[in-house]
Amino acid sequence: DGGITQSPKYLFRKEGQNVTLSCEQNLNHDAMYWYRQDPGQGLRLIYYSQIVNDFQKGDIAEGYSVSREKKESFPLTVTSAQKNPTAFYLCASSKPRSATGKNYGYTFGSGTRLTVV
Amino acid sequence: SQQGEEDPQALSIQEGENATMNCSYKTSINNLQWYRQNSGRGLVHLILIRSNEREKHSGRLRVTLDTSKKSSSLLITASRAADTASYFCATAFTTSYDKVIFGPGTSLSVIP
Repeated sequence: DGGITQSPKYLFRKEGQNVTLSCEQNLNHDAMYWYRQDPGQGLRLIYYSQIVNDFQKGDIAEGYSVSREKKESFPLTVTSAQKNPTAFYLCASSKPRSATGKNYGYTFGSGTRLTVV
Repeated sequence: SQQGEEDPQALSIQEGENATMNCSYKTSINNLQWYRQNSGRGLVHLILIRSNEREKHSGRLRVTLDTSKKSSSLLITASRAADTASYFCATAFTTSYDKVIFGPGTSLSVIP
């Protein structure tokens, strides 16, 4: 079955470390997204990518970096510059809008919970 | 600023009752989507309604959209304990790509 796989499910980071969260999809979706969710809050967009080798900053990109070398993969690196990285990170993908203007919803992974220790 | 805001923030009902959640937004949209999130899991897409549509159904779910009031509602009929989750509305702007903005969500508890 097609879907999005995020790994690891739980990740612990020491102060000053960079960590990379994996996101892989086999849905053949062009667009991929990274969101951050803090307790009791909605999702905030970190980065998104519409096509391979291109990505755009979202609302809270500072302290994060991404790459999109393959259509299937969109890893997120949480750098030491991110001062408050403890959160639940969600990766999503979507098909582009169709030629007739039909929109499609997002497919989400199951998330990675990052904790600073 | 957030595009969508759900109301209420939390809702507790008895099994079998209907649950209604509302979403208000501020600017013109291309479409509005509703998602469900079970505790500690990813979001699941429930329904997408386009700006030229007024109502959509999917099983026990009914979504309405009033673009003049910039609001949407999600109705879950005959609720079940398994419907306990957080529900988010997400708005997509009238742009050439599909970046969406999520509201803070409504936490629904269905008591058996």
